[in-house]
Amino acid sequence: SQTIHQWPATLVQPVGSPLSLECTVEGTSNPNLYWYRQAAGRGLQLLFYSVGIGQISSEVPQNLSASRPQDRQFILSSKKLLLSDSGFYLCAWSGDGPPQPQHFGDGTRLSIL
Amino acid sequence: RKEVEQDPGPFNVPEGATVAFNCTYSNSASQSFFWYRQDCRKEPKLLMSVYSSGNEDGRFTAQLNRASQYISLLIRDSKLSDSATYLCVVNDYGQNFVFGPGTRLSVLP
Repeated sequence: SQTIHQWPATLVQPVGSPLSLECTVEGTSNPNLYWYRQAAGRGLQLLFYSVGIGQISSEVPQNLSASRPQDRQFILSSKKLLLSDSGFYLCAWSGDGPPQPQHFGDGTRLSIL
Repeated sequence: RKEVEQDPGPFNVPEGATVAFNCTYSNSASQSFFWYRQDCRKEPKLLMSVYSSGNEDGRFTAQLNRASQYISLLIRDSKLSDSATYLCVVNDYGQNFVFGPGTRLSVLP
């Protein structure tokens, strides 16, 4: 069966520091991969999605970047974090082909001080 | 107009009650529809896909009305463990999944 791993679970970082969040999927090949952010009490905001290695689409202009160095690995990065980057970051995957539901990792709760 | 709208909630219901959530979407070309539940400070989890003919999974029933661009979720015999936020999700094309803001449900003893 397919599983998705996301780490770390929680992270506290100072303003201006770099960020790297990692997500990996097992049990499937060529998944569609997504990064979302959810602010406290708010809905999910799509940040990036990827349909294949090296293919990244950005949904909103922001301080973050994403990379997909391997088929089942998706990384969210920042060179310098802002206070507004605080939130709950969620990685998700969906199957290739006709629209299939997304499945989410456990999420990373990021606090910027 | 927002792409996906849901009942604002919160819904507070006693155990055993039947509760219905509504969701409307703006893009008539939308292809796929899903209901997720999200517990506090946790990731969303797929509850069920919504099929054109309607579908049922135990106490949960989902309906789709393409003409009215409307999706519903019915929960029968509510349990305390059903307390969560319920998210309506619409897929327009490809990887474009649009999440509704969610409706919070509290099932009370």
